[in-house]
Amino acid sequence: GIQVEQSPPDLILQEGANSTLRCNFSDSVNNLQWFHQNPWGQLINLFYIPSGTKQNGRLSATTVATERYSLLYISSSQTTDSGVYFCAVDGSGGSNYKLTFGKGTLLTVNP
Amino acid sequence: NAGVTQTPKFQVLKTGQSMTLQCAQDMNHEYMSWYRQDPGMGLRLIHYSVGAGITDQGEVPNGYNVSRSTTEDFPLRLLSAAPSQTSVYFCATGQGNQPQHFGDGTRLSIL
Repeated sequence: GIQVEQSPPDLILQEGANSTLRCNFSDSVNNLQWFHQNPWGQLINLFYIPSGTKQNGRLSATTVATERYSLLYISSSQTTDSGVYFCAVDGSGGSNYKLTFGKGTLLTVNP
Repeated sequence: NAGVTQTPKFQVLKTGQSMTLQCAQDMNHEYMSWYRQDPGMGLRLIHYSVGAGITDQGEVPNGYNVSRSTTEDFPLRLLSAAPSQTSVYFCATGQGNQPQHFGDGTRLSIL
């Protein structure tokens, strides 16, 4: 099956700093999503981005499907950004929902 | 509008007991799925359904049964619980080329 690798596994920032999280995948995909799991365990969808660039406030994401990677940018980080960020893809070519998750990036933002 | 509702939030079982994890959605989404999250392993797909009466296996289906008699509900059954099934279970829904929505999870411990 498709492999998803995220880097870095851990990241510690001071409030106000910027960061880039990376997601590499091993095959072509028809669905790529970024999620934030907050300290209470809730999974929040950030972006549905199988290709191209999207922005939502301080967060933006870019997927280069031909090179099999996606980047999540966090600018002016806040303590509420802390948590685990997951990249998930579906490469099955049909369902668009059989997600394979990476192991995540644990982000800690200190005040 | 509750979105995706999972019950119970916490459960402790003894080895060999059976139970059903409930998932209900009020968004009229065609697609529903169950994932388990174990430490350091991200989320893995257990079973999924593309509509009422249609289910299929994901990456880790052994030990779990599902059925989908209505659009709204997608219960996950453990017939004979094993300690290896100790995990956090998430239900998700989706529709078309849209982001998936996750419930808040059920934390299950099997002694």
